[in-house]
Amino acid sequence: DAGVTQSPTHLIKTRGQQVTLRCSPKSGHDTVSWYQQALGQGPQFIFQYYEEEERQRGNFPDRFSGHQFPNYSSELNVNALLLGDSALYLCASSGRDRVRAFFGQGTRLTVV
Amino acid sequence: GESVGLHLPTLSVQEGDNSIINCAYSNSASDYFIWYKQESGKGPQFIIDIRSNMDKRQGQRVTVLLNKTVKHLSLQIAATQPGDSAVYFCAENLGTNAGKSTFGDGTTLTVKP
Repeated sequence: DAGVTQSPTHLIKTRGQQVTLRCSPKSGHDTVSWYQQALGQGPQFIFQYYEEEERQRGNFPDRFSGHQFPNYSSELNVNALLLGDSALYLCASSGRDRVRAFFGQGTRLTVV
Repeated sequence: GESVGLHLPTLSVQEGDNSIINCAYSNSASDYFIWYKQESGKGPQFIIDIRSNMDKRQGQRVTVLLNKTVKHLSLQIAATQPGDSAVYFCAENLGTNAGKSTFGDGTTLTVKP
């Protein structure tokens, strides 16, 4: 079992650009959540997808959007990047009961 | 609003000693609490959870205590080992949707040999 996989592991982007991050959930999981973790802080919930729809959303602007595919994998898109978007972006997957979440290793995004 | 906070940002213990990491939460409606361990370069890893209708739960070398009266959560690690060195987060949830957690800022545990 590969667990939750994220790509890429590291990424450098310029202010104003757009970025897409990818996540494959753990086998058997249908729910994907995305978190932003700034350096030295705890993860902050961005949104959660299941059945290919955004079901829950945290306090993040519309520049942050996502998608879930029929195979349950997911993408996080961030438009008009700001320096403050530099962070570790974590994906977590859950089964249908959503009681336990498994995290990937994250994508380190640096905006310059 | 919701917030989950940890009392101390860092904790240093000797190998073999017991560790206690504390967490205060503010939302009395929270149903479900989770402790995570995050090692450098990795995502958070589930350690143990507890529902709001419980006071204590034990796992392998770990115990979580919940005091709803003072909105306090603690993680006890017995016989701490060098491999326990990591950042520990408590997270709270409304309902049992573990994918939508509110995390605190973490406590860095350092185990000295």
